[in-house]
Amino acid sequence: KNQVEQSPQSLIILEGKNCTLQCNYTVSPFSNLRWYKQDTGRGPVSLTIMTFSENTKSNGRYTATLDADTKQSSLHITASQLSDSASYICVVSGVESNYQLIWGAGTKLIIKP
Amino acid sequence: DVKVTQSSRYLVKRTGEKVFLECVQDMDHENMFWYRQDPGLGLRLIYFSYDVKMKEKGDIPEGYSVSREKKERFSLILESASTNQTSMYLCASSLPDVRSGANVLTFGAGSRLTVL
Repeated sequence: KNQVEQSPQSLIILEGKNCTLQCNYTVSPFSNLRWYKQDTGRGPVSLTIMTFSENTKSNGRYTATLDADTKQSSLHITASQLSDSASYICVVSGVESNYQLIWGAGTKLIIKP
Repeated sequence: DVKVTQSSRYLVKRTGEKVFLECVQDMDHENMFWYRQDPGLGLRLIYFSYDVKMKEKGDIPEGYSVSREKKERFSLILESASTNQTSMYLCASSLPDVRSGANVLTFGAGSRLTVL
């Protein structure tokens, strides 16, 4: 069964610290993996998209990694800011359909001042 | 910037009522989607549409229908609302990413529906 699992479920860190969020998936065959950021009460916003041939992708203070062999991805946030408080969702697309995405439940990140 | 606008941010309806959730996008995207989001679960696809008057069932279409009469507008309809349809409903539109070919979704702000 195609699944995306994220850990931790929630995370609290102090402003200025770094953190890493994890995503494991069982989707096969794999096409691409995306990370979305969802602020409370808003829709998700795309951070990165990675295909199987990409290992690392950066977007400002966000760096996503992908290991297609172990079916793992991580999202690293550097020098966290209060505005980083949000849910971060990992989404995987299989080859069969570009419309059907497998969504993780998300990691809720809280940045404390 | 692409804008996806959902007409209602908050709705409260009674069991058995008919509910319309409207979604409009302003960037000529061909693909539009309706998801629901519940605590502790990933987004679940209800319906999607890749062209005017075309619709495809997603993972949980039961109890819902959709309408796409114009390219920019995608409506979600609950014919007879039930309490288990209390949820956050998210509309999205997309076009393929030039580099990867993946559909890049742009979401609306969401409509939180409570069915009493």
